[in-house]
Amino acid sequence: GNSVTQMEGPVTLSEEAFLTINCTYTATGYPSLFWYVQYPGEGLQLLLKATKADDKGSNKGFEATYRKETTSFHLEKGSVQVSDSAVYFCAFSYSGAGSYQLTFGKGTKLSVIP
Amino acid sequence: ETGVTQTPRHLVMGMTNKKSLKCEQHLGHNAMYWYKQSAKKPLELMFVYSLEERVENNSVPSRFSPECPNSSHLFLHLHTLQPEDSALYLCASSQDRGAYNEQFFGPGTRLTVL
Repeated sequence: GNSVTQMEGPVTLSEEAFLTINCTYTATGYPSLFWYVQYPGEGLQLLLKATKADDKGSNKGFEATYRKETTSFHLEKGSVQVSDSAVYFCAFSYSGAGSYQLTFGKGTKLSVIP
Repeated sequence: ETGVTQTPRHLVMGMTNKKSLKCEQHLGHNAMYWYKQSAKKPLELMFVYSLEERVENNSVPSRFSPECPNSSHLFLHLHTLQPEDSALYLCASSQDRGAYNEQFFGPGTRLTVL
């Protein structure tokens, strides 16, 4: 069935460290891919998205590239800040027959320490 | 008010109580969603409404009853819940139901069932 697998957390990094959060998906058709972020006490908000193969989504210094050959959408940031501490969710949706649902991964909690 | 709002933010109820969660979106969107967020599990889509018509119901127990009186408001009526129903309930909206549409989330209602 359709699913998203993202790396288990929690992830703890020092400020200015490089971040990678791995995400792979299993889906039929050609899904759109998303990263959502959830800050403490808040709902989810869209961080970035990519709608076709080889697209790169970027926002706030975060990037992710849609890799259809490896069914991956890894999230990266070159230099994290304390304010990036949050839970990050990888997700996809597709316009296949009958379903417009967003399928989410379990989330990866990131803690950035000064 | 802007974006998606949810009330109450916190709710504690006994198994025999009846309560309702409220969601309101101020974005002029046509689709609204209820999600359940439990610890260490992916977000679970519960219900989808498009133009006030329920279009998805993901095998949710009947003790959860949604209502969408207009395109701006969404309710989740709760009765005879179980302790395992304790979770964060998130409301979201999107312009339409299409796969490329970003979903905007509210801050959630933290529900505890005693």
